[in-house]
Amino acid sequence: GENVEQHPSTLSVQEGDSAVIKCTYSDSASNYFPWYKQELGKRPQLIIDIRSNVGEKKDQRIAVTLNKTAKHFSLHITETQPEDSAVYFCAASRGYDMRFGAGTRLTVKP
Amino acid sequence: DAGVIQSPRHEVTEMGQEVTLRCKPISGHNSLFWYRQTMMRGLELLIYFNNNVPIDDSGMPEDRFSAKMPNASFSTLKIQPSEPRDSAVYFCASRPSDRTTEAFFGQGTRLTVV
Repeated sequence: GENVEQHPSTLSVQEGDSAVIKCTYSDSASNYFPWYKQELGKRPQLIIDIRSNVGEKKDQRIAVTLNKTAKHFSLHITETQPEDSAVYFCAASRGYDMRFGAGTRLTVKP
Repeated sequence: DAGVIQSPRHEVTEMGQEVTLRCKPISGHNSLFWYRQTMMRGLELLIYFNNNVPIDDSGMPEDRFSAKMPNASFSTLKIQPSEPRDSAVYFCASRPSDRTTEAFFGQGTRLTVV
C-alpha cells in the first residue's frame, strides 16, 4: 500500500515567521492530498487539500504545493500565530485508501 | 448532521477483556476508516470499508482485532483479548463516494488497557 513520509517531526518557529512541512509518497496513482491539523485532545480536521491535477493551492496564510513527478508535497504557513501550534498531518489517497504521515508538531513562540 | 459519532469516548479495561468500539458515520458517506493513534506510530490505518464491505484490512495488527460494518450507519472495532499495548486513541472517519474529498473524523475513543 501507500507509504507517506513526513518531515520534520517537530518544528519550532517565532511568531510571524513561516513554517514549511514536507511529505513524500510512494504510490504514483495517489491523486488526493489533504492536510489535517490536530489540536491537543481533539480530532484531526482538514485545513487544506490538493488534487493531482493542480500544482499549488492557497487559502489565506496556508498554501500547499504538489510535485507529482517527484512525488512530494508541502504545506506552507506564513505569518504564523500562536494558535497555529498543533500537530499537522499530511495524507495521500488513492481510490478508497487514505494513509497519513507520522505528523509534525509545530510550536509557534510568541 | 452531528458528524461522525464514536462511543465510548473513554474506555478503561483490564488486560484480557473484550473491548468494542462503536462508530456512526455521517449519513450518506460510503467509505469508513478505522485509525489508531499512538505517540510512537502516529495515525495508522487499520481497516477501511466501502459500501459496508471491507476493502483492506492489512493494517489490522493481529487476529485479536476485528471490525464489522453490518449496515451503512454503524461499524464496530473489537479487540479480544485486549492487551496493554493496545492502549491508544482509536479514530473512526467517513467520507462520501467522491474519493477526492476529505475524510471527517469522529472524536475518537481513548482506550486504556491496564
